[in-house]
Amino acid sequence: AQSVTQPDIHITVSEGASLELRCNYSYGATPYLFWYVQSPGQGLQLLLKYFSGDTLVQGIKGFEAEFKRSQSSFNLRKPSVHWSDAAEYFCAVGAWSNTGKLIFGQGTTLQVKP
Amino acid sequence: DTGVSQDPRHKITKRGQNVTFRCDPISEHNRLYWYRQTLGQGPEFLTYFQNEAQLEKSRLLSDRFSAERPKGSFSTLEIQRTEQGDSAMYLCASSKEGLAGAKETQYFGPGTRLLVL
Repeated sequence: AQSVTQPDIHITVSEGASLELRCNYSYGATPYLFWYVQSPGQGLQLLLKYFSGDTLVQGIKGFEAEFKRSQSSFNLRKPSVHWSDAAEYFCAVGAWSNTGKLIFGQGTTLQVKP
Repeated sequence: DTGVSQDPRHKITKRGQNVTFRCDPISEHNRLYWYRQTLGQGPEFLTYFQNEAQLEKSRLLSDRFSAERPKGSFSTLEIQRTEQGDSAMYLCASSKEGLAGAKETQYFGPGTRLLVL
């Protein structure tokens, strides 16, 4: 069965520091992968996605993620965090099936220290 | 493109009451999804529509839950005889079906937060 694990429930970084949020997936075939961000009380905003091709994908707000098939990972990175990046981040995997439903990890809450 | 909209944004109800939520997808998106998100968790898939046809329902969707998309445009999610365990954020997402084999991106609405007292 498909699953997504985000090992870090909560991460705190200083403003200007680099960031890496981990995501591991379990899926029997080639997945397609997403990172979404959610501010308190809001819906999910798409940061970036990987469908195929180049394993390093660029997203909005200066985020990037790298798909590593050998490690079943899709970690999210940002070289310099801004206070406005404080939010909850969700990794999701989609099935190559007719429905296209997404399976989400439980999320990582990012706190940014001034 | 005005994005996915949901109404209401917040709903407080008493246990045993019925509630209905509405989702308006991005125009020309023929796929529509409902997810439920409880506190501290990621969204969980509830159901999926392609046009007006409901093609998949999760085991999470008990018989107290019903969803419709009568004309293939907006969708409603109704919960009958609400229970405290139904308290959650209900998220709607839409996507446009691509060519065969092409993957799509789901765009989410702001959600409806339900509190059952």
